[in-house]
Formats: sequence, C-alpha cells, structure tokens
Amino acid sequence: DAGVIQSPRHEVTEMGQEVTLRCKPISGHNSLFWYRQTMMRGLELLIYFNNNVPIDDSGMPEDRFSAKMPNASFSTLKIQPSEPRDSAVYFCASSLTRGQQPQHFGDGTRLSIL
Amino acid sequence: DQQVKQNSPSLSVQEGRISILNCDYTNSMFDYFLWYKKYPAEGPTFLISISSIKDKNEDGRFTVFLNKSAKHLSLHIVPSQPGDSAVYFCAASTNSGYALNFGKGTSLLVTP
Repeated sequence: DAGVIQSPRHEVTEMGQEVTLRCKPISGHNSLFWYRQTMMRGLELLIYFNNNVPIDDSGMPEDRFSAKMPNASFSTLKIQPSEPRDSAVYFCASSLTRGQQPQHFGDGTRLSIL
Repeated sequence: DQQVKQNSPSLSVQEGRISILNCDYTNSMFDYFLWYKKYPAEGPTFLISISSIKDKNEDGRFTVFLNKSAKHLSLHIVPSQPGDSAVYFCAASTNSGYALNFGKGTSLLVTP
C-alpha cells in the first residue's frame, strides 16, 4: 500500500518567493497533519485537518503560512513570502480518526530559504 | 514548553544486547503513547504504541513499558540489531486530542 506521499523532497529558493508543499495522504485516512522539524524545536504540529476541514491551525507560525485540503487525497502548505527562518523539514502525516490510531508520516520536504 | 522529554540524546549498544530508550512526560492527561523510528532523509515510522490502560505492550523484539505514576515510559529492544540504528522519538496525546507531542529523539547506534 502506498504511504503518505510528499513533494517536492527538496526545495531551495530565495527569500520572498512563494513556496508550495504538497501531500497525498493514505487512502481512507480522514485526518491529515502538517508538522515542521527544526533542530531547536523538534517536531511541531502546524495544522490539523479532519475530513478536509481545518480543525486546529494554532501551530501555524504566522499569516505567511496557509494550508488547504481541497479533497480527501490532497493537501498543500504554502508559505508566502518565504523567509530564511522558515528553513526546516516539513512533514505531512495522516491517520484514521477512530479511536487511538497512529499517525503515518511522509518522507518530508527539506526546505531551504536563501 | 516541552511536555515530552527524552533526556538521552544518544545511546550506543552492542549487537545482541538490550537497548533501553527512556521518555518522561509532564501532562497527566496524556493517555496514548507511541514510539517512532526515523532514518536519515526519511519520515518517522510508527513502531509501537501503548494506551494508558496498559502498562506493557509487546511486538516482536520491541516492548514498551508505561509507568503512569512516574510519568515515564521506556522502549526495550531485544536483541538489538545494527539495522535498529536510527533516531527514536517518543510521542504522546490525550484522549480528546489528536496532536502528537514529540520528544526531541534519542539516536541509537547498534555496533556489531
């Protein structure tokens, strides 16, 4: 079975540019999460969707960050304009919502803002 | 503030011996605990979990122990193998929540 698929795997861009990260969750999973991993703060939840609806975006650091889930099989995380401090690895994860279920992660997007 | 703490950044163990990775948490509302394994340039991979109604869960070479009174859990790997060398993350969530609170990870090196 295909796992969570993220693209691109690596992104290098100059500050001020728009960055779009993409995620395809595991088929049948109705919860989707975006995380950011940095050396200083570790893995942090940015936003959580349930049945395509954003439930909690309190982890989104600034208004420059936005996320959408137009359907059950696709989500985007956008940063506009990007800044060097946004450099990190961004992970998408999905899970079933019923009961206590583990989240399954994609391989992440390593983002470098110059 | 960090609600899940892994106080050992690294651990080195000989092949065939037991690896014990530790995790402490501060939020008494946590009732679901997970361990993830992460290789470089890959995402975290779910390894094993435990509900707060249990104190032990076993899956092959991996066993997780939960001590609720001490707010402590541990992952035992027996016997350790070189392929187990990875970063291990402890995570926790509440029954009413969904967000996983992660520790900062312990890098395990299993030497032949």
